[in-house]
Amino acid sequence: ETGVTQSPTHLIKTRGQQVTLRCSSQSGHNTVSWYQQALGQGPQFIFQYYREEENGRGNFPPRFSGLQFPNYSSELNVNALELDDSALYLCASSTDDTEAFFGQGTRLTVV
Amino acid sequence: DQQVKQNSPSLSVQEGRISILNCDYTNSMFDYFLWYKKYPAEGPTFLISISSIKDKNEDGRFTVFLNKSAKHLSLHIVPSQPGDSAVYFCAASRLYGGATNKLIFGTGTLLAVQP
Repeated sequence: ETGVTQSPTHLIKTRGQQVTLRCSSQSGHNTVSWYQQALGQGPQFIFQYYREEENGRGNFPPRFSGLQFPNYSSELNVNALELDDSALYLCASSTDDTEAFFGQGTRLTVV
Repeated sequence: DQQVKQNSPSLSVQEGRISILNCDYTNSMFDYFLWYKKYPAEGPTFLISISSIKDKNEDGRFTVFLNKSAKHLSLHIVPSQPGDSAVYFCAASRLYGGATNKLIFGTGTLLAVQP
């Protein structure tokens, strides 16, 4: 049974660019959540996908969007990158009966 | 508006002694609480949880206590070991459709266990 894997692990982008982050959920998990962790802060909920449908969204602008695929893997897309988007992006997968299992994260730096 | 607060950014404890990490919350609708541990360059790892129908949950060296009237929970680690040194996050959620809904995290407490 593989855990949650995220790619890439590190990324540097220029302000105004677009970025796509990827997450493979743990085997058997149908729910994926994305979190943003800024330096010195706790993770903040971005949104959650359940069986390919968005199932809740945090206080993030529409330029943060996502997808979940039939195999329950997921993407996080961020358009028009801003300097404040620099953070660790965490993906977590789960089912109705389990707690969230997190990946190692993608460190995004916007310059 | 910080709905989950961990007011101690850091805590230092001697090996073998008890570590007590504290967490306060403001939203009375929260009914499920979790603790996660995070090492550098890794994602958070689930440690222990408690639902609002209980006031205590124990798992080996880890015990979580919940005081609903005070909107306060704490994590006790006894005995503390150097491998416990990590950042500990408290998280809260509303349990509908499962324990995996939107998690609201605190800012974390860095625990250092001195040998």
